[in-house]
Amino acid sequence: AQSVTQLDSHVSVSEGTPVLLRCNYSSSYSPSLFWYVQHPNKGLQLLLKYTSAATLVKGINGFEAEFKKSETSFHLTKPSAHMSDAAEYFCVVTFTGGGNKLTFGTGTQLKVEL
Amino acid sequence: DAGVIQSPRHEVTEMGQEVTLRCKPISGHNSLFWYRQTMMRGLELLIYFNNNVPIDDSGMPEDRFSAKMPNASFSTLKIQPSEPRDSAVYFCASSPRDRGYEQYFGPGTRLTVT
Repeated sequence: AQSVTQLDSHVSVSEGTPVLLRCNYSSSYSPSLFWYVQHPNKGLQLLLKYTSAATLVKGINGFEAEFKKSETSFHLTKPSAHMSDAAEYFCVVTFTGGGNKLTFGTGTQLKVEL
Repeated sequence: DAGVIQSPRHEVTEMGQEVTLRCKPISGHNSLFWYRQTMMRGLELLIYFNNNVPIDDSGMPEDRFSAKMPNASFSTLKIQPSEPRDSAVYFCASSPRDRGYEQYFGPGTRLTVT
């Protein structure tokens, strides 16, 4: 079985300050992990992916995430938030042999304030 | 690239009516997914197809729901009869061969059943 837990349902930051969105995973197999972003009234967009290569993964719009097997974590970070980052972020897990089936977390709503 | 196309974008119908949602995947993608998103249950995978063949329909709520993919460029999700609890945003996504995790989402269809 596999699952992801997003530890915060809402995160609020000021523009220009760092962003940290937390995600822990559980998987019986070697996982592949992803972050997707959903802007209001839009579909989801792949932000970045970890598929057993480098543990520090860089994505679009300055986001990055680090796979830490010892902590079973895959937290999403950005050094400096921008107003356009306000959206909902989903941590997602699958595993080799799992077909195309993704397991989504419950989402973290990021609010960016002036 | 046109992206994944869904129609209609909004649908309001009365309980008991038949509803058909349509999806055109990205050309060349061989996997197609139908998801449902609600506040209560988050994002749920309903069914997915590989090469037009349904692979996993375990997420389809009940017999009122059916999905077809008659060819590589078109899929439908049908609800008959519809009920108020079916109100949700329905997303279609497609992914390229061998990268099933890299799903490209359409803009969604917002369904309201009164």
